[in-house]
Amino acid sequence: SYVLTQPPSVSVAPGQTARISCGGDNIETKGVHWYQQRPGQAPVRVLYDDSVRPSGIPERFSGSNSGNTATLTISRVEAEDEADYYCQVWDYSNDQYVFGPGTKVTAL
Amino acid sequence: EVQLLESGGDLVQPGGSLRLSCAASGFTFSRYAMSWVRQAPGKGLEWVSDISGSGASTNYAASVKGRFTISRDNSNNTLYLQMNSLRAEDTAVYYCAKEVPKGGFDYWGQGILVTVSS
Repeated sequence: SYVLTQPPSVSVAPGQTARISCGGDNIETKGVHWYQQRPGQAPVRVLYDDSVRPSGIPERFSGSNSGNTATLTISRVEAEDEADYYCQVWDYSNDQYVFGPGTKVTAL
Repeated sequence: EVQLLESGGDLVQPGGSLRLSCAASGFTFSRYAMSWVRQAPGKGLEWVSDISGSGASTNYAASVKGRFTISRDNSNNTLYLQMNSLRAEDTAVYYCAKEVPKGGFDYWGQGILVTVSS
C-alpha cells in the first residue's frame, strides 16, 4: 500500500515560516490534501489538491507538490497555528485514502 | 450550514459489535461520498472506509475489511458503520467526514469514542 512520511515535529519562532514535508513515491502525480488538528478538536482542511486554500483559511497557508515531496508552508506563524498537521492522498492502486503520520507544529 | 453528528459510541467487549451513525444536514446528502476516519488515543488519523453517494460503491482499509460494513440511508441523511468482531486496537475516536471530488474531506463530525475492553 502507499506510504506517506512526515517529520514528527517542526518548531518555529512566531512570525517565522514553518515548512512541513509529506513524502511519497512519485507523490507529484497525486492530489495532496492537508488537515490541521488542534488538541481535542476534529481535523480541519487547510489545503486541498496540493495548493488550493478553502474559504476561511488564512493566506499564510500555502502548498506545493513536486517529485516525491509535497510541502505545506505556514508563513508568519502565529500561536494559533500550533497543532498537528496531516497530509492525505487517494491511493488509486488500492482504492483507499492514506494519511501521513502527522507533524506537530510548535511555535517557540 | 453543514453538520455531521456521530452517535452510537460505547464500551464494548472484545469480539462484540457496535453500530455507529452519522446524521448529516445542510447539504444534499445523496450527492456526496462519505468516509469514516478513526484516531486511536494519542495516535494519528486512520482512514477506515468510504461509500459513494448512491451507496453502490464501498472501500475499506485492510485493517477492518471483513469486519466493518459501511452503509447509508439517503432518505434519512444518515451514514452508518457496522463494526463486528471488535478488537482492542479498534479503540478510537471515530469521525464521519464528507468527501468532495479531488478535494479530500471538507467537513468532519465532532467524533465519537469507541472503547473495546473487557
